[in-house]
Amino acid sequence: QVQLQESGPGLVKPSGTLSLSCAVSGDSITSTKWWSWFRQPPGKGLEWIGEIYHSGSTNYNPSLKSRVAISVDKSNNQFSLSLNSVTAADTAVYYCARLESGNFDYWGQGTLVTVSS
Amino acid sequence: EIVLTQSPATLSLSPGERATLSCRASQTLSTYLAWFQQKPGQAPRLLIYDASNRATGIPARFSGSGSGTDFTLTISGLQPEDFALYYCQHRVSGLATFGGGTKVEIK
Repeated sequence: QVQLQESGPGLVKPSGTLSLSCAVSGDSITSTKWWSWFRQPPGKGLEWIGEIYHSGSTNYNPSLKSRVAISVDKSNNQFSLSLNSVTAADTAVYYCARLESGNFDYWGQGTLVTVSS
Repeated sequence: EIVLTQSPATLSLSPGERATLSCRASQTLSTYLAWFQQKPGQAPRLLIYDASNRATGIPARFSGSGSGTDFTLTISGLQPEDFALYYCQHRVSGLATFGGGTKVEIK
């Protein structure tokens, strides 16, 4: 059973950096899959943030590319998201997910991150 | 960038009725479309991939169709647990996009 679990601070100050991790169980982060991040502002739709392959190759949403970095931690079977220069507009539920054969098939439960002083 | 437009924004139906949700792409899709269901406080759940294939464990009342720029999700005989938000999604060349969503609510 594949499971993903997000973790990280629920509150980040404006202009700070949002950092989240996604722990993967039931699959290896080094398998032939991509690992993705999404977000959903309260009451709004889904937005894809970016994805990473275990080799370190990444793809990012062009609208966030200048502020985002996704990395992989093979030793702990997890991957991470970093988003800098955050504002209130970055307040959202953040999800991680597995990309298998072009489909986002397993998702974490999501974690709410609020940007506020 | 491909834009996905879903309609209607809200669909008010009674249990047992058929729901027909539309997703229109701004250009012909070279790879296929997926549909997700999302309930309040929950992560999205993959329903349909490659436009018409049901994901593992998805009931047969959910079906997807379409190609090119026009895609449809049909729920035949709405069950109480089907009232939720539905999103279409497409990924190509390492870029994923979602439609704005359709809310299926109880009439």
